[in-house]
Parts: sequence; C-alpha cells; structure tokens
Amino acid sequence: RKEVEQDPGPFNVPEGATVAFNCTYSNSASQSFFWYRQDCRKEPKLLMSVYSSGNEDGRFTAQLNRASQYISLLIRDSKLSDSATYLCVVMDSSYKLIFGSGTRLLVRP
Amino acid sequence: EPEVTQTPSHQVTQMGQEVILRCVPISNHLYFYWYRQILGQKVEFLVSFYNNEISEKSEIFDDQFSVERPDGSNFTLKIRSTKLEDSAMYFCASRALAGGDNEQFFGPGTRLTVL
Repeated sequence: RKEVEQDPGPFNVPEGATVAFNCTYSNSASQSFFWYRQDCRKEPKLLMSVYSSGNEDGRFTAQLNRASQYISLLIRDSKLSDSATYLCVVMDSSYKLIFGSGTRLLVRP
Repeated sequence: EPEVTQTPSHQVTQMGQEVILRCVPISNHLYFYWYRQILGQKVEFLVSFYNNEISEKSEIFDDQFSVERPDGSNFTLKIRSTKLEDSAMYFCASRALAGGDNEQFFGPGTRLTVL
C-alpha cells in the first residue's frame, strides 16, 4: 500500500466550480498533515496545514479524519489561477515529509 | 518574507562527474532537508540534517551522496559520481526548531541533468 495515496486526476472544471480532492495515508503514527500546491517545474508551496477540527482559508477548506486516515481539500469558486497539482503531504514521526503523487487540477474559462 | 534559496537553478553535468548543489535555508531555521523529484514522479525524501549531523536518510541517499553545512548559512548536497538516473529536480527545505505546524519551506530547486 502506498504511504500517501491520491487520485492523479486531472480534474477539469469550469471557473466558479467547487472541487474536492481526497487523500489517504497508511501510517497511523503520522503527526502532521498538509496540502501543498505545485506548479509545473516549480517547488512545492505550502497551501495549508490540516487539522482534525477542519480549517478554512478563504476559498480553501481542509479536513483530517485520523480514524479513517483520510485527508480532504475543498476549493470553492475555482479560479483559473488555481490550476496546478495539489500534493497531499504527511509528516511522519521523524519529521520528514511523505508526498502523494499529486492531483492535477485544470480550471477552464 | 524570508525564503529558502538554491543555486544553481540548472546544472548540466557528464555522467561520473561530481556536483555540488547549494542551499541557503531560512536564517532562524535549524532543520534542513533535501528532497528530489524525478520528472513526472512524486517528491521523495533524501536526507534530514540537524545540529551538524544527518538525522535520517533514505535508501536513495547512498555512499555517492553527502551533505554538509560548511558555514552558518549554506547547506550543500554533493553527488560524488553522477549517474543518468540522478537527473531530477533537487529541492532543499528548512524548518524552524519547534512550535507552529512543523511546516517545511522549500527552495526553488536545482534541475540536475546528467548526460
């Protein structure tokens, strides 16, 4: 089983749409959870940390379910500039990051 | 806003040559990392470094790889004898000591091409 698993997509949505990404992780000892965004041939950039209580940052909402080892990201009112690859990332007990393969989002006009 | 910087942005080398990739982490950070991403694949952990020594290394980080913090600002990754399969983007990251959400901040990467 992959350590961090994501649907690769692509998700092709119109501007203004709401889109949801899901991710599962295998190591129950993982301690921190993140969504990063990566543009083509660029570095991963932190989008948001993910908490069990859920957290929201503008149009982005992230949720963690530790019991199910499941992480989600919801993007509301998609913009063209949201087109990117979204990386589900887990920090293990030794503080290294384990990356998913990413979910590609294409927002069309 | 403080950021991680990396040089060079692109390095082309011949197989068997040594390369040194350089990183300047965020100034008050104490944990440093190297990751790599082969084209079309996921980002993979290589090594973590704290208090002037390696904390953890992956299976990828074999005897051909080494890291060093030669002064108070630079953090380097050396590949002694490059192979074709070392071609990848290499990202440096740093993390503050404690507190917050343990976020790691990434540099822009060095694209290594081995011919």
